[in-house]
Amino acid sequence: DVKVTQSSRYLVKRTGEKVFLECVQDMDHENMFWYRQDPGLGLRLIYFSYDVKMKEKGDIPEGYSVSREKKERFSLILESASTNQTSMYLCASSRGQAYTEAFFGQGTRLTVV
Amino acid sequence: GQNIDQPTEMTATEGAIVQINCTYQTSGFNGLFWYQQHAGEAPTFLSYNVLDGLEEKGRFSSFLSRSKGYSYLLLKELQMKDSASYLCAVRLYYGNNRLAFGKGNQVVVIP
Repeated sequence: DVKVTQSSRYLVKRTGEKVFLECVQDMDHENMFWYRQDPGLGLRLIYFSYDVKMKEKGDIPEGYSVSREKKERFSLILESASTNQTSMYLCASSRGQAYTEAFFGQGTRLTVV
Repeated sequence: GQNIDQPTEMTATEGAIVQINCTYQTSGFNGLFWYQQHAGEAPTFLSYNVLDGLEEKGRFSSFLSRSKGYSYLLLKELQMKDSASYLCAVRLYYGNNRLAFGKGNQVVVIP
């Protein structure tokens, strides 16, 4: 079974804290994605990576950065958390350029207070 | 840029058939996905279309017309467990085949 695992299901952080969200996949997938999901807005792409050490901005990268030092791990970093970053964060992975399926992690519900 | 539209909500009766529409305006279309997402859970893959026509998979079918920028997901013999949000997503040629999602269509199945 394909597995995409996010490090935390729920997180509560204070404004201004540096926050790390970790995602690990066990299927040797080249592509990894970070989305946030908000009511009425759907899934919005923050960053994605198609190879180790490669990253590309998605639609809403402001306030976020990412790291991909190993193929199986893709980290999302909130440099200085703000209340408007309270959201559900979803990680996904897929194989190659012509992928026909992307697999999602269970999500991290982040609350910034 | 891209624009992917879905109706926000629909209600249907158990045992019925429901059609969920998705229209898209994107540059570099390279395939369309449908995902199901139950409340509080991760999206799970349902179907994928890259060529025009109908793909059938058990109770679920998905149709694509690339010339019209249109797809639908058909759910037959609705069950209570089909109550979920259904997400349409387009894979784009540019940006290394990134995936862009619509806002999702919440389907509520009633007895």
